[in-house]
Amino acid sequence: DGGITQSPKYLFRKEGQNVTLSCEQNLNHDAMYWYRQDPGQGLRLIYYSQIVNDFQKGDIAEGYSVSREKKESFPLTVTSAQKNPTAFYLCASRPGLAGGLYNEQFFGPGTRLTVL
Amino acid sequence: GQNIDQPTEMTATEGAIVQINCTYQTSGFNGLFWYQQHAGEAPTFLSYNVLDGLEEKGRFSSFLSRSKGYSYLLLKELQMKDSASYLCAREKIIFGKGTRLHILP
Repeated sequence: DGGITQSPKYLFRKEGQNVTLSCEQNLNHDAMYWYRQDPGQGLRLIYYSQIVNDFQKGDIAEGYSVSREKKESFPLTVTSAQKNPTAFYLCASRPGLAGGLYNEQFFGPGTRLTVL
Repeated sequence: GQNIDQPTEMTATEGAIVQINCTYQTSGFNGLFWYQQHAGEAPTFLSYNVLDGLEEKGRFSSFLSRSKGYSYLLLKELQMKDSASYLCAREKIIFGKGTRLHILP
């Protein structure tokens, strides 16, 4: 079945350690996104990529890094420079411009990161 | 973000109708999405409006006025399972903070 996957669902790390969250999609989507959600809050855009080997900063990119070496994969690294990394992280994908004006964003199940 | 505003919380009664409003900056607008998110889960798509007017889809309808930078999500015949957060998002996928809807029996 086609879809977008994130693993693991729950992740614990010690303060000061970098951690990489995975996001994979087999929908052949061009665009991929990373969001952060804090309790009772909406989604805030961290990074997005509209095409392989290219990505742009979102509203809260500081302390995060990404790569887009393959169309299917958009991993997010939470570095030790991120002051408050504990949050729910959501990855999403969209067909991109090739999908026409209207194309829905599909979300992965999310990874809940807790930094101790 | 780009100033997307929606109420933080709302409460309604089972079987009733509720309208959740969303306002946004009109510059560079291409379309507006509504998503439903249950606690601890990923958002799921509800609707997309790019033209003015009302789009109806079962118990849920979404309205858009581009000139006013205004949209609403209308939920009819509320059920307990509709208790969730409702997020509006504009094209380029900029989200509002979400409206937590509480349904009372």
